[in-house]
Amino acid sequence: NAGVTQTPKFQVLKTGQSMTLQCAQDMNHNSMYWYRQDPGMGLRLIYYSASEGTTDKGEVPNGYNVSRLNKREFSLRLESAAPSQTSVYFCASTETGGRSPLHFGNGTRLTVT
Amino acid sequence: GESVGLHLPTLSVQEGDNSIINCAYSNSASDYFIWYKQESGKGPQFIIDIRSNMDKRQGQRVTVLLNKTVKHLSLQIAATQPGDSAVYFCAENGGSNYKLTFGKGTLLTVNP
Repeated sequence: NAGVTQTPKFQVLKTGQSMTLQCAQDMNHNSMYWYRQDPGMGLRLIYYSASEGTTDKGEVPNGYNVSRLNKREFSLRLESAAPSQTSVYFCASTETGGRSPLHFGNGTRLTVT
Repeated sequence: GESVGLHLPTLSVQEGDNSIINCAYSNSASDYFIWYKQESGKGPQFIIDIRSNMDKRQGQRVTVLLNKTVKHLSLQIAATQPGDSAVYFCAENGGSNYKLTFGKGTLLTVNP
């Protein structure tokens, strides 16, 4: 039982390049989330998917798109990376949304030069 | 907008002492609160949660206290150990069925 798995662990992009961060969970959870973590800013919600087939914007969605591919997988895409998107990205999942614990992956450390 | 905050960004304690990490919240609609521990290079790890119909909840060496009157949440760690050194985050749901909002974190350092 791996929990929440994120790939890649590290990535360096040049400004303007695109990439997709992958996330998969094996806990049969309904809800999945993407957060970014910056020094002194805590965790900020980018997008979430309350259930398979739905996605919604969080606090900082600009510059990102998401896809809930199936119940297990939720990907985050940067179409044209900017230095301001340098951050650590965490995927999380939970069974019942805002009233149960989120289970986090170990993050993707992204640097945009 | 409403947000979750922390009183102390850093806390240093001696091994064996009890630690108290505080959190203030401002969204009166929040009915679910949670504490996470994050070690360097890892994702946040769930510690303990509490619903608004409770004032106190205990786990193994940890206790969460909720004071709704002053909108205050605290995490108490008993007999703090070096392995407890980490950043601790509180989070609230703002009454949402789907989202948690996180505070900025407190760095706990345990001195041997």
